[in-house]
Amino acid sequence: SAVISQKPSRDICQRGTSLTIQCQVDSQVTMMFWYRQQPGQSLTLIATANQGSEATYESGFVIDKFPISRPNLTFSTLTVSNMSPEDSSIYLCSVDGQGGNEKLFFGSGTQLSVL
Amino acid sequence: AQSVAQPEDQVNVAEGNPLTVKCTYSVSGNPYLFWYVQYPNRGLQFLLKYITGDNLVKGSYGFEAEFNKSQTSFHLKKPSALVSDSALYFCAVRDWGGSQGNLIFGKGTKLSVKP
Repeated sequence: SAVISQKPSRDICQRGTSLTIQCQVDSQVTMMFWYRQQPGQSLTLIATANQGSEATYESGFVIDKFPISRPNLTFSTLTVSNMSPEDSSIYLCSVDGQGGNEKLFFGSGTQLSVL
Repeated sequence: AQSVAQPEDQVNVAEGNPLTVKCTYSVSGNPYLFWYVQYPNRGLQFLLKYITGDNLVKGSYGFEAEFNKSQTSFHLKKPSALVSDSALYFCAVRDWGGSQGNLIFGKGTKLSVKP
């Protein structure tokens, strides 16, 4: 199994500012996924982050708004830039299970509120 | 495109009664199906998966799910509900053809178990 530490766990931010969310995994993983969960909604994939390459963004998400770093196989960051109240969501990182588990492990999430 | 549907926004059950949370899927190829649970202010926790093999899959906390290919369903069940089972439940399918194996989630079903 993979243990994921995600921080901050929650934050309240002002409109127009940026927040960087960190995701640390206790083992090396190839793929990391970043999801957004808007209030009362399901999870939507923002992007897939592979080490050593540019993140792949899903439709509706762009790098300028959600820049992602993946400097090594155990760490990734997601930045929410130029925030607006519509960005208020839970952001979760996720990694692939090891040894062919076929399941994804999730961090505890970052609850973001934008005023 | 792969998708899952959870037709119920909320399921209400009395403690001690059996519970069912419904999920139907639409996939091309063999489905990799999952159930996750989300407690308030927590990340997603894996409950169980179906990849291949027996149609009845047993998972964590006494939950089980039955894969039904003819009905394209993967309903989550538990013989005797507990108040502590109250949470948000997500059905998901692994999308191997899209973003390198991310999970596509249903909208979620809120389970409420009353004493």
